[in-house]
Amino acid sequence: DTGVSQDPRHKITKRGQNVTFRCDPISEHNRLYWYRQTLGQGPEFLTYFQNEAQLEKSRLLSDRFSAERPKGSFSTLEIQRTEQGDSAMYLCASSLRDRRHGYTFGSGTRLTVV
Amino acid sequence: AQTVTQSQPEMSVQEAETVTLSCTYDTSESDYYLFWYKQPPSRQMILVIRQEAYKQQNATENRFSVNFQKAAKSFSLKISDSQLGDAAMYFCAYRSAQGGSEKLVFGKGTKLTVNP
Repeated sequence: DTGVSQDPRHKITKRGQNVTFRCDPISEHNRLYWYRQTLGQGPEFLTYFQNEAQLEKSRLLSDRFSAERPKGSFSTLEIQRTEQGDSAMYLCASSLRDRRHGYTFGSGTRLTVV
Repeated sequence: AQTVTQSQPEMSVQEAETVTLSCTYDTSESDYYLFWYKQPPSRQMILVIRQEAYKQQNATENRFSVNFQKAAKSFSLKISDSQLGDAAMYFCAYRSAQGGSEKLVFGKGTKLTVNP
């Protein structure tokens, strides 16, 4: 297990199109998190899963955003009807139950909406 | 809600010198964890060091150490013998130890430049 994997690394899409990103966490981590990071800013929390249950969603996660984690393994983040303001780096992370250990992050998916 | 503030958008240091990055946070909780993450230009966030709030002893990891002042809600990162590979964005982060949210709350980051 080499860490948290995200696919694709880069995505360019036209405004109004739908996009989907995938995250494969470290296999023994039952917590999975999605964050958004814009240029020059810190990561902003979007949502998190404990196994397959989505336990917390940020107000940043508008109705156009949806995340799933079927079977508690990989997760997908879908953005419908993309807007230019959605352009950002989308980071996935996973962690153990023990909060002291922090997260392991993936390399992120860079979304550009044109 | 907890907040994390990094007041230095950019810092620079000469190779082999020491630099300190500042972080303050606001919380009403007594038990929590604090972290410093490094994000090199390749963009993958890497955990540098962590501190448990109930431990008075400051954490150290090789050339990296923290100055944790719980009463002042301050958590600074000291990098000794700076190396070119230390150049990156550094983010301070807070996490509740129990109850509430499990998310990490990040500051806006400090861009560290290391000059040869």
